[in-house]
Amino acid sequence: DTAVSQTPKYLVTQMGNDKSIKCEQNLGHDTMYWYKQDSKKFLKIMFSYNNKELIINETVPNRFSPKSPDKAHLNLHINSLELGDSAVYFCASSRRPAGGGETQYFGPGTRLLVL
Amino acid sequence: GENVEQHPSTLSVQEGDSAVIKCTYSDSASNYFPWYKQELGKGPQLIIDIRSNVGEKKDQRIAVTLNKTAKHFSLHITETQPEDSAVYFCAAKSDDKIIFGKGTRLHILP
Repeated sequence: DTAVSQTPKYLVTQMGNDKSIKCEQNLGHDTMYWYKQDSKKFLKIMFSYNNKELIINETVPNRFSPKSPDKAHLNLHINSLELGDSAVYFCASSRRPAGGGETQYFGPGTRLLVL
Repeated sequence: GENVEQHPSTLSVQEGDSAVIKCTYSDSASNYFPWYKQELGKGPQLIIDIRSNVGEKKDQRIAVTLNKTAKHFSLHITETQPEDSAVYFCAAKSDDKIIFGKGTRLHILP
């Protein structure tokens, strides 16, 4: 009974390609997030959605476009992939926005390697 | 914006000994401080958190202390075990998001 699931787990692709990562949570949470973790393990927020509406958009290239079709799903589409996009991408969710002191539940991560 | 500093970046302790990880934050308005543990190949998982209305919180072998005046908070793990080996992240709430420290890789030595 996975709480936050992501697909795919691994993604190897060529520079310039377009790819998508999918995330689903079955916790009934209102808020979902995308984080990027680089090779040094630094965890940085990219986006956050609350009730399908964008509430956090950090300084992320517009090649990255999140989409939330419903509260339980937050997908991440990346256009024109670059070498520097190689990282682990984590989806997370919380009952309400984390700014209210809510626990975030993380998915298992998607390991993206751009060649 | 909030800046969270975490030290040390790597920590090795003998099994059975205690481990302490320290963090500082910059936003005096921060009032929520979670700690996450990330095991190899997995996503971070909350292990303990503290709010600014308390100075210390304990859960079995794990404790967290908070000094709001100095803007410091620390994670203490006692009687360490092999399964404590992982990367630990401190974090602080700032406005509408959680800002993470850069992580501490904890090695428990046999």
